Amino acid sequence: GAVVSQHPSWVICKSGTSVKIECRSLDFQATTMFWYRQFPKQSLMLMATSNEGSKATYEQGVEKDKFLINHASLTLSTLTVTSAHPEDSSFYICSASATSGRPPTRPDTQYFGPGTRLTVL
Amino acid sequence: AQTVTQSQPEMSVQEAETVTLSCTYDTSESNYYLFWYKQPPSRQMILVIRQEAYKQQNATENRFSVNFQKAAKSFSLKISDSQLGDTAMYFCAFIPNFGNEKLTFGTGTRLTIIP
Repeated sequence: GAVVSQHPSWVICKSGTSVKIECRSLDFQATTMFWYRQFPKQSLMLMATSNEGSKATYEQGVEKDKFLINHASLTLSTLTVTSAHPEDSSFYICSASATSGRPPTRPDTQYFGPGTRLTVL
Repeated sequence: AQTVTQSQPEMSVQEAETVTLSCTYDTSESNYYLFWYKQPPSRQMILVIRQEAYKQQNATENRFSVNFQKAAKSFSLKISDSQLGDTAMYFCAFIPNFGNEKLTFGTGTRLTIIP
């Protein structure tokens, strides 16, 4: 239970193009979704928090115009990397949580997607 | 602000042995949750175990158990009868009990199980 999917699992794009990554909660309604970035051999760095139907809250230093986040429904959030550049190459991970904590989730617990590897040429 | 410290960057242990990963945290909150997440080479973050701070009883999940010492702000993970599939990066994490607040992660411990 509490399964989160991400699509695509990997993507290669040219510099200057935009890339959209989808995050879906498959068996629960996610009131909040989180987007992380992870550099090799490092911990996860939170980029932004989004609640369904609201604007995302970005962490300090994260460009909101570059990393567009949409949380249009209780099961889907998207991260769009606009005008991607090689320095945006990274591993992006989403997570989802449900306020209710109803099964299969537990309160205040984040469930993670499998991640998306982005390579910008 | 909350901080989570994992002082062991790397550990290795023989298969079938027991290993303990340490984690300490700092917070002024009285109610919170603590987690251990596992990230194997596939990079999928997997929830290993979860502990509510108001519960004195240590959480257990099969071969995984924690030693939660609230006064000392310590939250160690014990893996019994270690298996090759336990090879992964392990992250300790903290969240205040406010609902959907952000996780604070430690820097991780890379655990290798040796056949």
